[in-house]
Amino acid sequence: AQSVAQPEDQVNVAEGNPLTVKCTYSVSGNPYLFWYVQYPNRGLQFLLKYITGDNLVKGSYGFEAEFNKSQTSFHLKKPSALVSDSALYFCAVRDMNRDDKIIFGKGTRLHILP
Amino acid sequence: SQTIHQWPATLVQPVGSPLSLECTVEGTSNPNLYWYRQAAGRGLQLLFYSVGIGQISSEVPQNLSASRPQDRQFILSSKKLLLSDSGFYLCAWSTGLAGSETQYFGPGTRLLVL
Repeated sequence: AQSVAQPEDQVNVAEGNPLTVKCTYSVSGNPYLFWYVQYPNRGLQFLLKYITGDNLVKGSYGFEAEFNKSQTSFHLKKPSALVSDSALYFCAVRDMNRDDKIIFGKGTRLHILP
Repeated sequence: SQTIHQWPATLVQPVGSPLSLECTVEGTSNPNLYWYRQAAGRGLQLLFYSVGIGQISSEVPQNLSASRPQDRQFILSSKKLLLSDSGFYLCAWSTGLAGSETQYFGPGTRLLVL
């Protein structure tokens, strides 16, 4: 079965420190992977995606993600966290068994401490 | 540029009352459209998707239905709301069902059933 996992419900990081939000996946075939961010009472905003090519994908707001095939991971990273990065982050993967629809992880709440 | 609208933003309805949530997309033609429900600020559950006018696929049997009367209009309905229908409803669009396509989300409708 295709799946995506976000092992941390919450991540706390001090402002200015690097941040990582973890995501692992299980798919058959080539993975299409996505990161979205959700601010309170808002819809999801697309950050970045990996389809093919370079393993390091750069996205919006200074975020980047590294595709690691051997570890089946797609962790989201940022070199220096801002308080405004505090939000709910979703990893997602294409589900080849469901007409290529996207399945979302349960989300990780990121708190950036001033 | 493309924009997606949802209304109302917030809705409080009694149990047993009907429901109609509307989603419209501007700036694109023949989008794929999706309805998701998000419970308790966490993971997203895909409810319905549509690849064209009058074409609706249901993901989960439930108390809700969807319709697409026009190319860029997607409506979520219920004849009789249940308490369990409370949640944050998100509409999204993409240019294709292929798993590499990014989905773009509306601002959401928060529904509280009392």
